[in-house]
Amino acid sequence: DAKTTQPTSMDCAEGRAANLPCNHSTISGNEYVYWYRQIHSQGPQYIIHGLKNNETNEMASLIITEDRKSSTLILPHATLRDTAVYYCIVSVYGGATNKLIFGTGTLLAVQP
Amino acid sequence: DAGVIQSPRHEVTEMGQEVTLRCKPISGHNSLFWYRQTMMRGLELLIYFNNNVPIDDSGMPEDRFSAKMPNASFSTLKIQPSEPRDSAVYFCASSRSTGPQHFGDGTRLSIL
Repeated sequence: DAKTTQPTSMDCAEGRAANLPCNHSTISGNEYVYWYRQIHSQGPQYIIHGLKNNETNEMASLIITEDRKSSTLILPHATLRDTAVYYCIVSVYGGATNKLIFGTGTLLAVQP
Repeated sequence: DAGVIQSPRHEVTEMGQEVTLRCKPISGHNSLFWYRQTMMRGLELLIYFNNNVPIDDSGMPEDRFSAKMPNASFSTLKIQPSEPRDSAVYFCASSRSTGPQHFGDGTRLSIL
């Protein structure tokens, strides 16, 4: 599986957009970009995933560069409850090889 | 819908004792994953099953650890004998063959 690089930590003001970057320069053609987050003392929570097109759901938007070597997770209006560690993971989608390798993630602190 | 259910939520036991962690995946999910999380090593994949069959157990730390999935609705992770260095939060996750993983709330294990 390809590795990802994320900043260790980021701050964001409540109500503003949070833009979390991720580099995955060695991503393979059949690997998807997944984003999960982990709020303190809870299990990781799935946010969004994509292959090459930009994706949006009720939680966030995912912007993937055309060369697929990097991506950005956007939380459009961050709240205090969005404070968490955010993990960017690349992995083959589905099947018996659908395993995730978690890195150290980005600690997003939303400030009041 | 019920999520992934893990039990117990907390376990404190003495070194040398057998520990059994339990997981009930989401109904209809055919892949199940066991993870361990510590401050030092982060979130590590231990083993995963597809259609109740173990696919990859390369993350299992040693022979003291074993996992079973006797049916589609139940899995166990057993540690025998337990050691203080096994203290961690253990997460179970499940997914469909083509779908993101959904995590339980974890079991916080302390070995004295």
